[in-house]
Amino acid sequence: DTGVSQDPRHKITKRGQNVTFRCDPISEHNRLYWYRQTLGQGPEFLTYFQNEAQLEKSRLLSDRFSAERPKGSFSTLEIQRTEQGDSAMYLCASSLETNQPQHFGDGTRLSIL
Amino acid sequence: GIQVEQSPPDLILQEGANSTLRCNFSDSVNNLQWFHQNPWGQLINLFYIPSGTKQNGRLSATTVATERYSLLYISSSQTTDSGVYFCAVEGGGSNYKLTFGKGTLLTVNP
Repeated sequence: DTGVSQDPRHKITKRGQNVTFRCDPISEHNRLYWYRQTLGQGPEFLTYFQNEAQLEKSRLLSDRFSAERPKGSFSTLEIQRTEQGDSAMYLCASSLETNQPQHFGDGTRLSIL
Repeated sequence: GIQVEQSPPDLILQEGANSTLRCNFSDSVNNLQWFHQNPWGQLINLFYIPSGTKQNGRLSATTVATERYSLLYISSSQTTDSGVYFCAVEGGGSNYKLTFGKGTLLTVNP
């Protein structure tokens, strides 16, 4: 059990650029989740996958955001045309099944200049 | 959706003191987790405790699901316990997403 891995740890980019983050869940975990955390707040749910199917998306996920989980393994979260308000910590989590604990990665901290 | 309230929002302790953090939630839950977020932003799993009592070293937690609250106890606090403690629940009709409280910022002074 190597834990949830996220890459990169930090990303600094200019407003208007596209960015992509990667998450590798704990092996054999069917469920994968993305959350966003802004300064002074708790993480907020963005989206979740059961295997390769994206089953739920929060209203926080505007049309500039897209997430994929090809083949039910790793996942990517892409933000197009980044804005200042996208600056946040993006956290990935995975769990084995429903009613099982979610395990979080160390996050990707995004800063928009 | 389900509401999660944590108290107190801030807590300052001297090393060696004990503390109790509280989490109230507004609906039935099928998952409740306590996390510690360290100064580097890492979310560390402390307990998965939708009901009952668990202990892990100096930390213990109790969830009374019928009364919709959970408590996290920290005994003999150390400076390394400093950080933000989050309660997160999965419930209120959702079986996938965790809803987090705003957290308790704990500072343990030497």
